[in-house]
Amino acid sequence: GQNIDQPTEMTATEGAIVQINCTYQTSGFNGLFWYQQHAGEAPTFLSYNVLDGLEEKGRFSSFLSRSKGYSYLLLKELQMKDSASYLCAVSNQAGTALIFGKGTTLSVSS
Amino acid sequence: GAVVSQHPSWVICKSGTSVKIECRSLDFQATTMFWYRQFPKQSLMLMATSNEGSKATYEQGVEKDKFLINHASLTLSTLTVTSAHPEDSSFYICSASLSPAGYGYTFGSGTRLTVV
Repeated sequence: GQNIDQPTEMTATEGAIVQINCTYQTSGFNGLFWYQQHAGEAPTFLSYNVLDGLEEKGRFSSFLSRSKGYSYLLLKELQMKDSASYLCAVSNQAGTALIFGKGTTLSVSS
Repeated sequence: GAVVSQHPSWVICKSGTSVKIECRSLDFQATTMFWYRQFPKQSLMLMATSNEGSKATYEQGVEKDKFLINHASLTLSTLTVTSAHPEDSSFYICSASLSPAGYGYTFGSGTRLTVV
């Protein structure tokens, strides 16, 4: 079966660093995506990993280990506007639908 | 580029009526469109995969006679919620794959459906 796990909720303070973990078990693998979603809005693309290693993009970084079925999203220098839901999603095969985890709600406080 | 326009952004309807949601690819041809549903504080659940010119493929537990999907052209896919009930109230989002022209996926802006 397909299974993607990530923590339900996390809290952090402004300026801090937070790491959101995601583990997956899927029938195939064509890449892992991270999205940010604010309530009532569509997901916004953050990152894509298909090879092992770290991808850095500004304050956001994402890591992938295919052998461990594991990824994390690292958010640095947290800001209040980073309070949102973060979705881990896996593509089994090019052109097929993304499979989403349940999402991690991040609350950033001052 | 690769924009999907979704309408309406919100709709309120009475129980028993039908509602149509449109997703239109503006600057590319979407051979395949995916329809998701999201209940409050939950993640996106795939409802069906829509292929241009053929019948949609529905996920287990999704009633194909209730959620009618039409993908008659390469730029338009529609989801019609028939005989809507309050439990159908949800956030519906469409998505298109950019493969093989590129990688990744683009999403519509979503439709908030409230059935009263």
